[in-house]
Amino acid sequence: KQEVTQIPAALSVPEGENLVLNCSFTDSAIYNLQWFRQDPGKGLTSLLLIQSSQREQTSGRLNASLDKSSGRSTLYIAASQPGDSATYLCAVSSGGYQKVTFGTGTKLQVIP
Amino acid sequence: EAQVTQNPRYLITVTGKKLTVTCSQNMNHEYMSWYRQDPGLGLRQIYYSMNVEVTDKGDVPEGYKVSRKEKRNFPLILESPSPNQTSLYFCASSLKVSFTEAFFGQGTRLTVV
Repeated sequence: KQEVTQIPAALSVPEGENLVLNCSFTDSAIYNLQWFRQDPGKGLTSLLLIQSSQREQTSGRLNASLDKSSGRSTLYIAASQPGDSATYLCAVSSGGYQKVTFGTGTKLQVIP
Repeated sequence: EAQVTQNPRYLITVTGKKLTVTCSQNMNHEYMSWYRQDPGLGLRQIYYSMNVEVTDKGDVPEGYKVSRKEKRNFPLILESPSPNQTSLYFCASSLKVSFTEAFFGQGTRLTVV
């Protein structure tokens, strides 16, 4: 059974810092991995999708990497802003790609 | 506007009283799924559907039913709700049968007393 872990559970940084969020998974036979953002009282917003054959994806100040062999993904946020404050979740599609397993998330606070 | 709509957003009910949470998407997506989110446990998949009349269990399907009679709708049914089903529920859809670039609803906060 796939298990997804995100460390740390919470992170507080001053505005302008570059930061890295971590996601690890136990079964490397994945179809894809996605990073989501969740704001309080709202649904999830897809940030980046990495297919199993890819190593990284970039969107603006966000860069996500994938190392299937080690079961790890990182989300790099450059020049953090207070508007980046949210909970970040990673999700792995595996087991025939229809099944999705989420991590428990990292709650990020960017202090002005 | 592309969106996934869940109703209701908030619901308080009593143990054993059947309820349905509706989910509708306007993007002609094939894949739809339901999740529950609990503190410390993250989001867990309840059921998913790859197309009309095609549904399958996720990781925590006990106590829930779903149906997919139309492509746009994927209701979640609790035949006899219990307090351990108190949770925040999310519906999601994606174009392809692979959960790519999923769109999520706003969530339904359910309390069973």
